[in-house]
Amino acid sequence: AQSVAQPEDQVNVAEGNPLTVKCTYSVSGNPYLFWYVQYPNRGLQFLLKYITGDNLVKGSYGFEAEFNKSQTSFHLKKPSALVSDSALYFCAVRDFILTGGGNKLTFGTGTQLKVEL
Amino acid sequence: GAVVSQHPSWVICKSGTSVKIECRSLDFQATTMFWYRQFPKQSLMLMATSNEGSKATYEQGVEKDKFLINHASLTLSTLTVTSAHPEDSSFYICSATTSGRWNEQFFGPGTRLTVL
Repeated sequence: AQSVAQPEDQVNVAEGNPLTVKCTYSVSGNPYLFWYVQYPNRGLQFLLKYITGDNLVKGSYGFEAEFNKSQTSFHLKKPSALVSDSALYFCAVRDFILTGGGNKLTFGTGTQLKVEL
Repeated sequence: GAVVSQHPSWVICKSGTSVKIECRSLDFQATTMFWYRQFPKQSLMLMATSNEGSKATYEQGVEKDKFLINHASLTLSTLTVTSAHPEDSSFYICSATTSGRWNEQFFGPGTRLTVL
């Protein structure tokens, strides 16, 4: 089965500083990776995905992620953090394609990002 | 972007009653909908996957008679928690996707269920 790991439960960063939220993956075959963000008491919002192509994927709200095949990583990054970026971030990998279409995802355990003034 | 709504956003019920949660894709037709359960400060646990007009596929350990899922149309899926008990209290999130093989899931805002 496909899996992703988020090694940090929490990441703290000062506003204006760059941020990185780590994710490593374990898959058989080509990885299809996603990042989602969850604000308190809300559902998940899609940030970006990697399917193939450029290793640097740009997404919503100024976030980007770098796919690194040799390190089996897909870290989420942002050059300058905002207090409003404080939220729970989930990395996910496509487990398999469903018969009816669409992707079944396996999620990491989540990383709480706290951006302080 | 694609919008998924859930109703209600929160519900409090007495033990033994049944609760229905609706999930709607507002501006697209969802071939597949998913139901997740999330405990505080934990990841999402997939409960079941449903396709319009078909029986839902439940994950191992999820009681299908307790968590009834109906996917009546391409824009509506419902989760009914039957004979709810306090241990069923949780945050329930649905998501929807289209049939494209590269397509991401779009998530609803979640429903907070509290069983007294």
